[in-house]
Amino acid sequence: NAGVTQTPKFQVLKTGQSMTLQCAQDMNHEYMSWYRQDPGMGLRLIHYSVGAGITDQGEVPNGYNVSRSTTEDFPLRLLSAAPSQTSVYFCASSYGTGVPGELFFGEGSRLTVL
Amino acid sequence: GNSVTQMEGPVTLSEEAFLTINCTYTATGYPSLFWYVQYPGEGLQLLLKATKADDKGSNKGFEATYRKETTSFHLEKGSVQVSDSAVYFCARGDSNYQLIWGAGTKLIIKP
Repeated sequence: NAGVTQTPKFQVLKTGQSMTLQCAQDMNHEYMSWYRQDPGMGLRLIHYSVGAGITDQGEVPNGYNVSRSTTEDFPLRLLSAAPSQTSVYFCASSYGTGVPGELFFGEGSRLTVL
Repeated sequence: GNSVTQMEGPVTLSEEAFLTINCTYTATGYPSLFWYVQYPGEGLQLLLKATKADDKGSNKGFEATYRKETTSFHLEKGSVQVSDSAVYFCARGDSNYQLIWGAGTKLIIKP
């Protein structure tokens, strides 16, 4: 059972570089989301999607773009990396929309921006 | 406002001790409440949940009761094990397809 798969697990970037964090789920979940986790701050929602072709901003969307062309995939793009984007990123998915229930998380992607 | 507050860590206990991690929330109405656990080097996973007042969620020996009077959802376990060492997150459902998260509590269990 693959569940939610994130790649890469580790990445080091220089300021100004761009990159894409990949997220794929094989559970036919409608809801997908990206969080960042920083020490002492818990999880903060970056962007989310309630279905293919639909995306919306979360709490901290600046500096990130997303798209949802298929149910399975939800990539997160950093257009011009900044040191403030050094964090651990988690992709999560859920069965349906409305009030969220159980979220299924990937193993995380640790990003360092120098 | 909308927030979830949980006790600061780290919480350090000896094996077989009783565990309580406090969690309180603010919200209008009665949102669903959750405890997630993050083991070292892994993503989060749902530990237990309660969807209405007075519900008790339970899993792996952990329990939490939805207390609307005190707007609390404290996590308890009668006898902790070294393998319970992890970070525990309290969260509540939000109408905008989101979860409102607490900051997390690191639990360290010593043999």
